[in-house]
Amino acid sequence: DGGITQSPKYLFRKEGQNVTLSCEQNLNHDAMYWYRQDPGQGLRLIYYSQIVNDFQKGDIAEGYSVSREKKESFPLTVTSAQKNPTAFYLCASTPGPPIYGYTFGSGTRLTVV
Amino acid sequence: AQTVTQSQPEMSVQEAETVTLSCTYDTSESDYYLFWYKQPPSRQMILVIRQEAYKQQNATENRFSVNFQKAAKSFSLKISDSQLGDAAMYFCAYRSADAGGTSYGKLTFGQGTILTVHP
Repeated sequence: DGGITQSPKYLFRKEGQNVTLSCEQNLNHDAMYWYRQDPGQGLRLIYYSQIVNDFQKGDIAEGYSVSREKKESFPLTVTSAQKNPTAFYLCASTPGPPIYGYTFGSGTRLTVV
Repeated sequence: AQTVTQSQPEMSVQEAETVTLSCTYDTSESDYYLFWYKQPPSRQMILVIRQEAYKQQNATENRFSVNFQKAAKSFSLKISDSQLGDAAMYFCAYRSADAGGTSYGKLTFGQGTILTVHP
């Protein structure tokens, strides 16, 4: 079945470390997105990509980086510059036209230890 | 930039009763889509219903329906015959359809409403 796979489900990071969250989709969707979810703040957009080899900053990009070398893959790196990385991270994709909502992955819970 | 506001952090309903979740949004655009997403305890986001701004008829999906008031920029979700499985966090979301705008394609979410269903 087509869908979005996020891994790992849980991730622990030590202070000062960079970690990478994986997001893979087999839906042949053009656009992919990364959101961060904190309690009481809904979902906030980190980065998005509408085409391979191109991506744009969202509302809270500081301390994060992404790449889009393949259509099906959009990994997110949480760098040591992100001061408060503990959160739930959701990856999403869409075919493109705005009539479509997003298809979401099952998320990664990142905790700083 | 567009904003989406859900003023009810928590709501509760008795099983088989009806509940309405509120959502307002702010935009200067005329062409856009609105969505309601459900996030159960598994945290998987599930699309519940969508509404195109140009359609005056309110969208309906089985027990879920919306009351879309474009002039008032209001987009509420009504859940009829509530079931225990409806318990979740519900998010209202806005997606621009203005291809020339900087927000094109991006989905902007409200803060969410936690719905509790009592047996």
